[in-house]
Amino acid sequence: AQSVTQLDSQVPVFEEAPVELRCNYSSSVSVYLFWYVQYPNQGLQLLLKYLSGSTLVESINGFEAEFNKSQTSFHLRKPSVHISDTAEYFCAVSAPAAGNKLTFGGGTRVLVKP
Amino acid sequence: DTAVSQTPKYLVTQMGNDKSIKCEQNLGHDTMYWYKQDSKKFLKIMFSYNNKELIINETVPNRFSPKSPDKAHLNLHINSLELGDSAVYFCASSRGQGGVWAEAFFGQGTRLTVV
Repeated sequence: AQSVTQLDSQVPVFEEAPVELRCNYSSSVSVYLFWYVQYPNQGLQLLLKYLSGSTLVESINGFEAEFNKSQTSFHLRKPSVHISDTAEYFCAVSAPAAGNKLTFGGGTRVLVKP
Repeated sequence: DTAVSQTPKYLVTQMGNDKSIKCEQNLGHDTMYWYKQDSKKFLKIMFSYNNKELIINETVPNRFSPKSPDKAHLNLHINSLELGDSAVYFCASSRGQGGVWAEAFFGQGTRLTVV
């Protein structure tokens, strides 16, 4: 079985400041890693994913995440946030051997203040 | 051109009623899912179908019954609704079950309120 822990339930941050959202996972099998974003009253959108290859993955809107196998982490970072980044962020893992179901962390609410 | 669409978006109903939520995807994907998001935003998978075949059935009361008439549709029927069923239900699809096919696309969600 897989589990995901997002250590921060809420992260307030000022506009143009950097932000880091922490995600740790546990699994006995190889997993794929994802970050999803949920804007208020909307569905989930994929932000970025790690399937294989380079451990540093980037999104088109300035987010990046680094897969660290030894620390079983997949932290999400953005060097300068915008008001529009206010949302709920979910880290998730899937294991192809387990039918590709996504196991989500509890979410981190990012509140960007002007 | 919504990729994964759910209807209705909002559903308010009384305890004991039976209701259905419909989901359709136009991405040509083989695998579809239902997820439940509770009031604390926690997301958990309920069911998964691959080419109309049930492949994941988590510990969900049997009042919940998914039905997949074809691989583009996965509907969720809920019988004898209870207050605890109030949640947001998300439909999702993926091209397959592994590798580059693993990415899941989500619908906008159906907010179910049982009163």
